[in-house]
Amino acid sequence: AQKVTQAQTEISVVEKEDVTLDCVYETRDTTYYLFWYKQPPSGELVFLIRRNSFDEQNEISGRYSWNFQKSTSSFNFTITASQVVDSAVYFCALGGANFGNEKLTFGTGTRLTIIP
Amino acid sequence: EPEVTQTPSHQVTQMGQEVILRCVPISNHLYFYWYRQILGQKVEFLVSFYNNEISEKSEIFDDQFSVERPDGSNFTLKIRSTKLEDSAMYFCASRKTSAGGADTQYFGPGTRLTVL
Repeated sequence: AQKVTQAQTEISVVEKEDVTLDCVYETRDTTYYLFWYKQPPSGELVFLIRRNSFDEQNEISGRYSWNFQKSTSSFNFTITASQVVDSAVYFCALGGANFGNEKLTFGTGTRLTIIP
Repeated sequence: EPEVTQTPSHQVTQMGQEVILRCVPISNHLYFYWYRQILGQKVEFLVSFYNNEISEKSEIFDDQFSVERPDGSNFTLKIRSTKLEDSAMYFCASRKTSAGGADTQYFGPGTRLTVL
């Protein structure tokens, strides 16, 4: 069975600080996909990144960066120089790679509050 | 940019009533999904749909639920006899490619269902 753990329920940081959101996953699949989604107060789910299990290169996109470490089954997300607009709930998700097994399994989310 | 749309944004119904939640996936996408999120909780998979058939469903998706693609654009979720515990945000998602999990699931804005 697939499982995603986001141990940080809530994080508050002052604007311009860096913050890292942790994600640990469990799967028996050798090929899988990892995702981060942002859920702002308006409620929609906004796709941020997709990573496949064969690509352990870290990725940077503007103020966002992701650290995928297969050895520790972690896919952590860092926001540099945080802004108030980053306040949201962030979900890490795990998806299978085979037809009939591509559902996303979400973590419980981390509520990030950026204090101006 | 193409996006998944959902109607209505909010539906209020009496317990025992039938509801139909509607989704218009992105036009060239082949795979369709429903998820739900009980208030304050994580997003949970309900069902996946491809080629006019259910490809996977969760234990939540019992006989009270059904899905349909009645025409070339709409994808619907029907709840036959709503219960109080069906109150949640329901998200529709769609995905493009035939390779399992290789492409991203894009989510609609959600329908908030309130059962009284």
